[in-house]
Amino acid sequence: EVQLLESGGGLVQPGGSLRLSCAASGFTFSSYVMSWVRQAPGKGLEWVSSISSNAVGTYYADSVKGRFTISRDNSKNTLYLQMDSLRAEDTAVYYCAKYDSNAWFDSWGQGTLVTVSS
Amino acid sequence: EIVLTQSPGTLSLSPGARATLSCRASQSVSTSLAWYQQKPGQAPRLLIHDASNRATGIPARFSGSGSGTDFTLTISSLEPEDFAVYYCQHRSNWPKTFGQGTKVEIK
Repeated sequence: EVQLLESGGGLVQPGGSLRLSCAASGFTFSSYVMSWVRQAPGKGLEWVSSISSNAVGTYYADSVKGRFTISRDNSKNTLYLQMDSLRAEDTAVYYCAKYDSNAWFDSWGQGTLVTVSS
Repeated sequence: EIVLTQSPGTLSLSPGARATLSCRASQSVSTSLAWYQQKPGQAPRLLIHDASNRATGIPARFSGSGSGTDFTLTISSLEPEDFAVYYCQHRSNWPKTFGQGTKVEIK
């Protein structure tokens, strides 16, 4: 069974930094593209970033480009999102999501809440 | 960036009714479109991929259709557990955007 467990969320001041982690199990982590998707309170889903299986390719939404960095450690089956220069509008639940072989999000974690506030 | 526009914003229906949800893309995505269901406090779940293919374990009452710019998700007879928010998403290029969602609520 695929399991994705996010951690690292919390309260941070505007301009601060936070690193999210996603521990994966139940599948061959190193074979799949992984992503982060966020959802602001009461709002819809927003794709944030994706990383190829070998970490060569990284992709970002314009709203986070230059501030967020996605990475992975295939030896630890873990996905990361380094978030710098955080803004109030980054407040959201951040989901870790796995792409299937056809590039659809077939598995999701339960999410971790990031609150940016002074 | 491809913009996906879902309609209606909210659909108020009774259990047993037929639900028809729409997703329109700002440019053609061929059949590279998926539908997800999200219930309160839960992560989204993949329902339909490639416009018309049900994901593993999804009941037959869910069906998808369309190509190009116009897509439809149909729930043939609403069960109590189907009242939720539904999102469409494309994979045609980066960024792989989502629609804003359609809430299906109990009438």
